[in-house]
Amino acid sequence: DTAVSQTPKYLVTQMGNDKSIKCEQNLGHDTMYWYKQDSKKFLKIMFSYNNKELIINETVPNRFSPKSPDKAHLNLHINSLELGDSAVYFCASSPFSGGSGNTIYFGEGSWLTVV
Amino acid sequence: AQSVTQPDIHITVSEGASLELRCNYSYGATPYLFWYVQSPGQGLQLLLKYFSGDTLVQGIKGFEAEFKRSQSSFNLRKPSVHWSDAAEYFCAVGGPGNQFYFGTGTSLTVIP
Repeated sequence: DTAVSQTPKYLVTQMGNDKSIKCEQNLGHDTMYWYKQDSKKFLKIMFSYNNKELIINETVPNRFSPKSPDKAHLNLHINSLELGDSAVYFCASSPFSGGSGNTIYFGEGSWLTVV
Repeated sequence: AQSVTQPDIHITVSEGASLELRCNYSYGATPYLFWYVQSPGQGLQLLLKYFSGDTLVQGIKGFEAEFKRSQSSFNLRKPSVHWSDAAEYFCAVGGPGNQFYFGTGTSLTVIP
């Protein structure tokens, strides 16, 4: 059983299109995240949700909109895709106890290429 | 502000040789420290973590890390590297509100 699963794994699309990446976790965690990994492997948090409530919203273009229908799902919708959006997007989850010692569990990533 | 520095962008070692990957952190309180590994085309897998207690922590795949508060370091070690260890390694520190701060990663190449 995959703990954190995201689809699609690979996505090639043209500039200006709108696309979504879906994420589901079966770990029973309260907190879910979206991270972006650029071509230099740098990992940057984009969003974090706790029990469907947005708790971290880093400086991300408003073309990116997360949606959490329930605490096991966190989808990422991207409007008007640009070349610079090409990256690997990782979904992740962790328990939330109000502290900072929880382990984050990552999905396998979604490779987005905008042409 | 919390931050993590991995000074080595890329390291090459021979198979069977020992390995040490460096990680320095900046954190105002007791840090929660992690090492993750990312194999090519894969997601990040937790190798080990330090929350408190024994400063030498053991992880999966034969890795260990030592927390040194005086040096603000959490270096990852393995006594004998295998070719399958070639990957990207990330150090991270846990911040408030479940925020994680990742280092920029160290790429490991293993030569036969």
